[in-house]
Amino acid sequence: DADVTQTPRNRITKTGKRIMLECSQTKGHDRMYWYRQDPGLGLRLIYYSFDVKDINKGEISDGYSVSRQAQAKFSLSLESAIPNQTALYFCATRGAGNQPQHFGDGTRLSIL
Amino acid sequence: SQKIEQNSEALNIQEGKTATLTCNYTNYSPAYLQWYRQDPGRGPVFLLLIRENEKEKRKERLKVTFDTTLKQSLFHITASQPADSATYLCALDPLNAGNMLTFGGGTRLMVKP
Repeated sequence: DADVTQTPRNRITKTGKRIMLECSQTKGHDRMYWYRQDPGLGLRLIYYSFDVKDINKGEISDGYSVSRQAQAKFSLSLESAIPNQTALYFCATRGAGNQPQHFGDGTRLSIL
Repeated sequence: SQKIEQNSEALNIQEGKTATLTCNYTNYSPAYLQWYRQDPGRGPVFLLLIRENEKEKRKERLKVTFDTTLKQSLFHITASQPADSATYLCALDPLNAGNMLTFGGGTRLMVKP
């Protein structure tokens, strides 16, 4: 089983819909992150959490919200989806210190 | 403002040659620099980490250099193989700022047989 699991892997939806992307991890890491990836722009940080009671905005948090339901679960919501939120979304975890990040395989989200 | 630049154009090389990818940064003082590999439809996978006081790090056919004066890291794959074809991302990791990684846009490497 994958260490970081994202669901769904693909989603097509319409403008204005509310969408939730889910992430769960088995690495036991406290730190979790949500990124979006667009061609030519690299990975941009949306939100991050250092433990269950900690939520922080990243570089591009407008239009998104998150929930850290447990150490192992971190979900990303788009309250009212718009077409420019079409992108690849990645969840990642990180251990203590300067350890590498571990990524899920992403959710490809298309908003029509 | 802080900037991380990787060559956005794909790098095409012949099998067996050494591939060299560049990561340049400005207005940044990273303590660590990490390299990741990303295959189509997959998340990035960690390859190597180098600290600011290290000039070079090796792992099998991979070599990373880190020049804090030039503000540049070079990533080398020796004896390249078609299976090395992927996008390679560099990420800068400061000592403070909550240890937040900042990623470059990645360079796509194509190794032809």
